[in-house]
Amino acid sequence: GESVGLHLPTLSVQEGDNSIINCAYSNSASDYFIWYKQESGKGPQFIIDIRSNMDKRQGQRVTVLLNKTVKHLSLQIAATQPGDSAVYFCAENMQGGSYIPTFGRGTSLIVHP
Amino acid sequence: EAQVTQNPRYLITVTGKKLTVTCSQNMNHEYMSWYRQDPGLGLRQIYYSMNVEVTDKGDVPEGYKVSRKEKRNFPLILESPSPNQTSLYFCASSLMTGRQEKLFFGSGTQLSVL
Repeated sequence: GESVGLHLPTLSVQEGDNSIINCAYSNSASDYFIWYKQESGKGPQFIIDIRSNMDKRQGQRVTVLLNKTVKHLSLQIAATQPGDSAVYFCAENMQGGSYIPTFGRGTSLIVHP
Repeated sequence: EAQVTQNPRYLITVTGKKLTVTCSQNMNHEYMSWYRQDPGLGLRQIYYSMNVEVTDKGDVPEGYKVSRKEKRNFPLILESPSPNQTSLYFCASSLMTGRQEKLFFGSGTQLSVL
């Protein structure tokens, strides 16, 4: 399948700052996007998702933005905390596809106290 | 508690010695899948299953087998492991609602093949 890429492999921020993690996707037919968080020694954990009929979705301290025109996805984390330190993956799916989501390689978020 | 359980957590074996990694979910999910995670390569899908007795190859199926005899279990079988299968493995499951849904992942199995 087509690959999903991340712009920055590592992002360092200070506690309390807002973090933005970016993701570019190349399959214009993708219509479902998910962000996962993977803490050290653990499996990926769902954070937030968005379908292609939306361009913004908010959760608790997190917001996902979808720009279908430029095939770009971003995860914004407000008031970043040390517990947010992890690797963040975006994943794309295509409705009616083969149920094989495509994952980006991940961005490591490091939060300095 | 809703969860995906993998066993073992760590496994060291030798080339050619058959092994099985078990995966079980208690959420009544139809969809289950296996991934391997390697540095610099991210998560790559090995096999997936959309229901009992229905399995399909993912992106990197060579050297692996799976079975889905029961809805809750989806074991990963390495008939003759080789060193290039040393990796971190994750099992995942999700609902199937007619469209894609989020995945629930297990805690991972770190496999080393000597």
